[in-house]
Amino acid sequence: GAVVSQHPSRVICKSGTSVKIECRSLDFQATTMFWYRQFPKQSLMLMATSNEGSKATYEQGVEKDKFLINHASLTLSTLTVTSAHPEDSSFYICSARDAMDRAKNIQYFGAGTRLSVL
Amino acid sequence: AQSVTQLGSHVSVSEGALVLLRCNYSSSVPPYLFWYVQYPNQGLQLLLKYTSAATLVKGINGFEAEFKKSETSFHLTKPSAHMSDAAEYFCAVSRAGTALIFGKGTTLSVSS
Repeated sequence: GAVVSQHPSRVICKSGTSVKIECRSLDFQATTMFWYRQFPKQSLMLMATSNEGSKATYEQGVEKDKFLINHASLTLSTLTVTSAHPEDSSFYICSARDAMDRAKNIQYFGAGTRLSVL
Repeated sequence: AQSVTQLGSHVSVSEGALVLLRCNYSSSVPPYLFWYVQYPNQGLQLLLKYTSAATLVKGINGFEAEFKKSETSFHLTKPSAHMSDAAEYFCAVSRAGTALIFGKGTTLSVSS
């Protein structure tokens, strides 16, 4: 099946630093990737939709200058949390949609990144 | 607008018992429906999907779900629970080409 690799799986950083999270589709091309945030024991909240070669589309209430998204190739999207603060601590999950199966909208998920900001 | 409601935030069953996780959706157009499973500190794994083909969908690990348009439901079932089924389960809805909208999730506990 389709595999999405997300790295790192866990990161601990100091307040004020920036953290980059990578999301790669390993065996398929993904023109669209999605970034979600999940709080403990809650559902996934869509942060933004990342489209290859164009600007990401952010959901209402998500600061685009805070959460920088780059989708420079058909297999890689990155999320950079800039000037991280403790309230940014969360579980971030990416997903990728197979470009060959857009109509069915099947998304394959990465394993997630646990961000802890001290 | 589309939405998903998962009835019951926590379901407990005994090993070998029937598993039933409920999901109702709201959509103005024929939806695509999904069930995902999440184990602690991991991403989501697709269990099964409904994309306007057969209404009874069989997925991995013995799970299946039936799309009932008249009831706007897409409940997940498994005839016999296994300890390894204990996890968080999410129902999701989308239209073609759009982002997934997730329900709040149901925690399944399995006791021996």
